[in-house]
Amino acid sequence: DARVTQTPRHKVTEMGQEVTMRCQPILGHNTVFWYRQTMMQGLELLAYFRNRAPLDDSGMPKDRFSAEMPDATLATLKIQPSEPRDSAVYFCASGLVLGPTAPQYHEQYFGPGTRLTVT
Amino acid sequence: AQSVTQLDSHVSVSEGTPVLLRCNYSSSYSPSLFWYVQHPNKGLQLLLKYTSAATLVKGINGFEAEFKKSETSFHLTKPSAHMSDAAEYFCVVIPLSRAGGTSYGKLTFGQGTILTVHP
Repeated sequence: DARVTQTPRHKVTEMGQEVTMRCQPILGHNTVFWYRQTMMQGLELLAYFRNRAPLDDSGMPKDRFSAEMPDATLATLKIQPSEPRDSAVYFCASGLVLGPTAPQYHEQYFGPGTRLTVT
Repeated sequence: AQSVTQLDSHVSVSEGTPVLLRCNYSSSYSPSLFWYVQHPNKGLQLLLKYTSAATLVKGINGFEAEFKKSETSFHLTKPSAHMSDAAEYFCVVIPLSRAGGTSYGKLTFGQGTILTVHP
């Protein structure tokens, strides 16, 4: 049963510290998404990659957030320095997206999330 | 541009009674539509999807959704609620991008409907 995995599941850190979240997409999927979920804002798309290339990171605060895919089996999201307002659940999702003409197949598979608390 | 509106932020039902979660969409093109479910402290899971093969779509756990183009709706229903159905439900529209663009594959989420099931 293929699944998206995320580590750590929980992270508590102090303001100003660096936070790194990791995601292993489902093998064979070519698109990876990072989302943030809070009570106030709901689910927000932060960034996404296709075939490891970043396509859109307009949802991410550029000065402190960075997202990378060093290889096809690992995506990372870093926050440096972290702030209390970054406290949220961060989800990674992956999917197999072959082109724009069949959107009904663009389903995404979500990981369990990383719950980040910045004090 | 595509958008999706979930008409109720909270729905409360008694166990054994029908469930109706409402979703309306706007789309310039024939849309593709999903419903996702998120149980507490879990990631999002695909419940069902409309692929234009049939207007009545069956999903997991006894849920169904009917695509009604004339009403631009994709409401989620279940004949008899179970305690385990308590969760947050997201209606999703998938943009149909023009060929040559790179933004395909992104999902547009509704704000979510929290379903509470009382004994």
